[in-house]
Amino acid sequence: DAGITQSPRHKVTETGTPVTLRCHQTENHRYMYWYRQDPGHGLRLIHYSYGVKDTDKGEVSDGYSVSRSKTEDFLLTLESATSSQTSVYFCAISEAGGSLNTEAFFGQGTRLTVV
Amino acid sequence: GQQVMQIPQYQHVQEGEDFTTYCNSSTTLSNIQWYKQRPGGHPVFLIQLVKSGEVKKQKRLTFQFGEAKKNSSLHITATQTTDVGTYFCAGPSGGSYIPTFGRGTSLIVHP
Repeated sequence: DAGITQSPRHKVTETGTPVTLRCHQTENHRYMYWYRQDPGHGLRLIHYSYGVKDTDKGEVSDGYSVSRSKTEDFLLTLESATSSQTSVYFCAISEAGGSLNTEAFFGQGTRLTVV
Repeated sequence: GQQVMQIPQYQHVQEGEDFTTYCNSSTTLSNIQWYKQRPGGHPVFLIQLVKSGEVKKQKRLTFQFGEAKKNSSLHITATQTTDVGTYFCAGPSGGSYIPTFGRGTSLIVHP
């Protein structure tokens, strides 16, 4: 498996609290992504990064923010967690853009429960 | 934006039967990727198709990319219990490189 570590792996938090999930890679890949996975919805892109300090929104970005201050770290923050953000969150990385070398390597996932 | 539609959502088969999942895009794709996710696991990259009409095989798995580069299929011959999982296709979104995933097909194999 590619060197991707997500932390924490499990978290239970209360509605209204801020939560930060961390993704750390040792592959020096340029692109990093945060997806959420919910039953019946597959994998939906939250935010992505194409370099240090370069980020952009995905299709379900409301309520989430990200930061990438180093190549190896991509943080996902829920500013004020809501029950609708209960999900499994996956970080992914890829090496390059265009048509080649774009395969994504996924972390183990973080199961977040908002109560 | 671009959508990648995948059918069926679920497929139950008896061990030894064949299985096929289909992926359709509203726009032409520069490439299509396939991933497998075992229950409780994370998606794992299987293959990427780039050329129109391309066919690739991995043991019992056959992947096809349509001539118009708008559809793709994954066919598994003689399923085994180790094939259980959810299979996702993914195509770049809106001319970019960002993988947009279909909703996946969950394969259940009955021994």
